[in-house]
Amino acid sequence: DADVTQTPRNRITKTGKRIMLECSQTKGHDRMYWYRQDPGLGLRLIYYSFDVKDINKGEISDGYSVSRQAQAKFSLSLESAIPNQTALYFCATSDPGQGTGELFFGEGSRLTVL
Amino acid sequence: GENVEQHPSTLSVQEGDSAVIKCTYSDSASNYFPWYKQELGKGPQLIIDIRSNVGEKKDQRIAVTLNKTAKHFSLHITETQPEDSAVYFCAASRAGNQFYFGTGTSLTVIP
Repeated sequence: DADVTQTPRNRITKTGKRIMLECSQTKGHDRMYWYRQDPGLGLRLIYYSFDVKDINKGEISDGYSVSRQAQAKFSLSLESAIPNQTALYFCATSDPGQGTGELFFGEGSRLTVL
Repeated sequence: GENVEQHPSTLSVQEGDSAVIKCTYSDSASNYFPWYKQELGKGPQLIIDIRSNVGEKKDQRIAVTLNKTAKHFSLHITETQPEDSAVYFCAASRAGNQFYFGTGTSLTVIP
């Protein structure tokens, strides 16, 4: 089983709908992140959380919200989806205490907003 | 905030040739520079990284160089193989906190 699991893997929705993307991890890491990937724009940080009580905005947080339900779970919500939120979304974890700060990514959630 | 630029956006090389991808960063406080490889349909995976107290690091066919004065770092892949075909991302970070990614390079190795 994957260490960082994202659900759903693919989702098609309509403008105005509320969408939740979920991420769970078995790595025991405190830090979790949500990134968005668009062609030609790379990976951009939406929100990050360094522990259960810590939530921080990233570069592009407008239109998104997050919830850190437990150390292992970090959810991304689009309250009212719009077409320009069509993208590939990645959850990631890290543990700087292990020395490298390496990010471990899930396999992505592809969201299409019509 | 940090700004990371990456070039080229696409790169095609013949199998066995070398590939070089270059990145520049803007924040002189950044001190950790990882490189990630993303295969089709998968999430990015770390392939090599370098810290600001080191000028070069090598791992088999992959090497990374860092020029702190010029604020640029590069990924070098020698003796390329078809399985090296992927999208590569550079990133910059202060002590493994927020990571700022480049826009990616799509590498194709032609057999």
